[in-house]
Amino acid sequence: QTVVTQEPSLTVSPGGTVTLTCGSSTGAVTSGHYPNWLQQKPGQAPRTLIYRTSNKHSWTPARFSGSLFGGKAALTLSGAQPEDEAEYYCLLYYGGPRVFGGGTKLTVL
Amino acid sequence: DVQLVESGGGLVQPGGSLRLSCLASGFNFSTYAMHWVRQAPGKGLEYVSAISFSGGGTFYADSVKGRFTISRDNSKNTLYLQMSSLRGEDTAVYYCVKDFQLGFDYWGQGTLVTVSS
Repeated sequence: QTVVTQEPSLTVSPGGTVTLTCGSSTGAVTSGHYPNWLQQKPGQAPRTLIYRTSNKHSWTPARFSGSLFGGKAALTLSGAQPEDEAEYYCLLYYGGPRVFGGGTKLTVL
Repeated sequence: DVQLVESGGGLVQPGGSLRLSCLASGFNFSTYAMHWVRQAPGKGLEYVSAISFSGGGTFYADSVKGRFTISRDNSKNTLYLQMSSLRGEDTAVYYCVKDFQLGFDYWGQGTLVTVSS
């Protein structure tokens, strides 16, 4: 049973920078896991912010960026806004199965 | 604009069956793989099933294997999830999701399935 791990919760100050990470129980996360990052606000469907590690969709605010760091996928938010308060999930591809991380609740305070 | 509209959710008794549908528009449906993802109340996202663009390839999470069947009708731009032998732990909002480069881009708004007597 593959487990994808994320920080349960993080807090960032308005205008600040925070990095969320996504690890895999099978070893280092690589570009071959095609990491995706999703944002979900209460009562809403998720929306995908980042695909293939670092690529942004047309609707992704420029302040979000994706990368690989220290064997994990990472989502960095630079210049946090109050509207960025949400749950963030990573998704990894394992050659067929996809697995979600447990989510990180990000508070902007 | 891309739209994914799920339907078919509702209340069903344990052991019962339900078929979810997802009507897609705004893109060439027949050229994209599609996925179902679910979210139990107050919980995280769980990957459920996937189907290739042609319907010739499918994948199921262990939790639903043998009970759920994913299918598609490209002539109707519609994705389906046939669910049988439903259990309480299948209670969730079910999302239809469009594949994009081995990840996701567009999500539907979801349909709630409640399994209870």
